[in-house]
Amino acid sequence: DIQMTQSPSTLSASGGDRVTITCRASQSISSWLAWYQQKPGKAPKLLIYKASSLESGVPSRFSGSGSGTEFTLTISSLQPDDFATYHCQQYNSYPWTFGQGTKVEIK
Amino acid sequence: EVQLVESGGGLVQPGGSLRLSCAASGFNVDTKDMSWVRQAPGKGLEWVSNIHSGGSTFYAGSVKGRFTISRDNSKNTLYLQMNSLRAEDTAVYYCAKVRWGAVAEGFDTWGQGTLVTVSS
Repeated sequence: DIQMTQSPSTLSASGGDRVTITCRASQSISSWLAWYQQKPGKAPKLLIYKASSLESGVPSRFSGSGSGTEFTLTISSLQPDDFATYHCQQYNSYPWTFGQGTKVEIK
Repeated sequence: EVQLVESGGGLVQPGGSLRLSCAASGFNVDTKDMSWVRQAPGKGLEWVSNIHSGGSTFYAGSVKGRFTISRDNSKNTLYLQMNSLRAEDTAVYYCAKVRWGAVAEGFDTWGQGTLVTVSS
């Protein structure tokens, strides 16, 4: 199985900060990676697919990059609505796997 | 509007069975790849199972042989039959629609989730 490791597990930031979350795969997954945002008690929401493609309706302050085994999600200027948990997911091969999540909290 | 609504969760004893349902609207479940994803309390997301539009099914190792994914096209509903339940199956279960470009590209639509608690 492909292991997905996110870092950091928790990130404290202030509004307006630039935030970067890293996701590493235990083997190459090409660009078959998605990022999700999840708020407490809610279902995840797709932000990015194919490593860098922005899902329709998602603000342009979100961006993704990377290929192979290392990927990043960047929020260019953190907004109040962005405090949440972020998950990466590989869909290169079964079983599809997620990272453990990164919680972005208010500093 | 594309929407997924899960039901069927609840409290079940270890070794018991439960069937989850996911009613879809705004699209036909037999034309899309569909999934179940779960999240144990305070934990991350775990993919459970996929059913392709063509009918092929795939399972996580932790549920293979115990869970069965299926769909009823006439009811436009996805199901997850869960047998031999264990305490570690306790989670919120989400159904999700796979985003499809040239290939599968993650999950673009999620239900609200249904809680399954396995406990005596």
